[in-house]
Amino acid sequence: EVQLVQSGAEVKKPGESLKISCKGSGYSFTSYWIGWVRQMPGKGLEWMGIIYPGDSDTRYSPSFQGQVTISADKSISTAYLQWSSLKASDTAMYYCANYGDYSEYFQHWGQGTLVTVSS
Amino acid sequence: DIQMTQSPSTLSASVGDRVTITCRASQSISSWLAWYQQKPGKAPKLLIYDASSLESGVPSRFSGSGSGTEFTLTISSLQPDDFATYYCQQYNSYGTFGQGTKVEIK
Repeated sequence: EVQLVQSGAEVKKPGESLKISCKGSGYSFTSYWIGWVRQMPGKGLEWMGIIYPGDSDTRYSPSFQGQVTISADKSISTAYLQWSSLKASDTAMYYCANYGDYSEYFQHWGQGTLVTVSS
Repeated sequence: DIQMTQSPSTLSASVGDRVTITCRASQSISSWLAWYQQKPGKAPKLLIYDASSLESGVPSRFSGSGSGTEFTLTISSLQPDDFATYYCQQYNSYGTFGQGTKVEIK
């Protein structure tokens, strides 16, 4: 069974750094792109970016380029999303998800990590 | 950037109704479109990929159609478990989601 298990909820202050994680199991972690999706409170889904853990090739949505960093450690089947300086507007639920068997839809999803940024 | 526009934003329907949600792309995306269902407090769930392929385990009352710029998700007979928010997503170029359609109980 494919599982993506995300790290727990975080409460941070503006200006702080943060790295959240997504651990994959039940499939070949290095063979499928894995991405991150933002959902701000009461709002819709936003595609942030993706990484191919096999070679760390990374693509970002123009809206998120320079705002976050996506990385992966294939030795522990884990992908990461990180911020160097959080803003209140980064408060959101963040989901990881991996690409499907046949094309670039998100087939399996993590449970989500709630990030709250408040002074 | 490719923009995705869903309609309606909210839909009120009764159990047993046939429901159709429309998604329009700002440029042609061939058949590179997926539909997801999201319930409150839960992660999205894949329903349809490549515009019309039903994901394994998804009830056959869900179907998708379309190509190019216009797509539809149809629920043939709405069930109590189907009251949720539905999103389309293009994956022709990166990935863009529609704004969502909330299906409410009438």
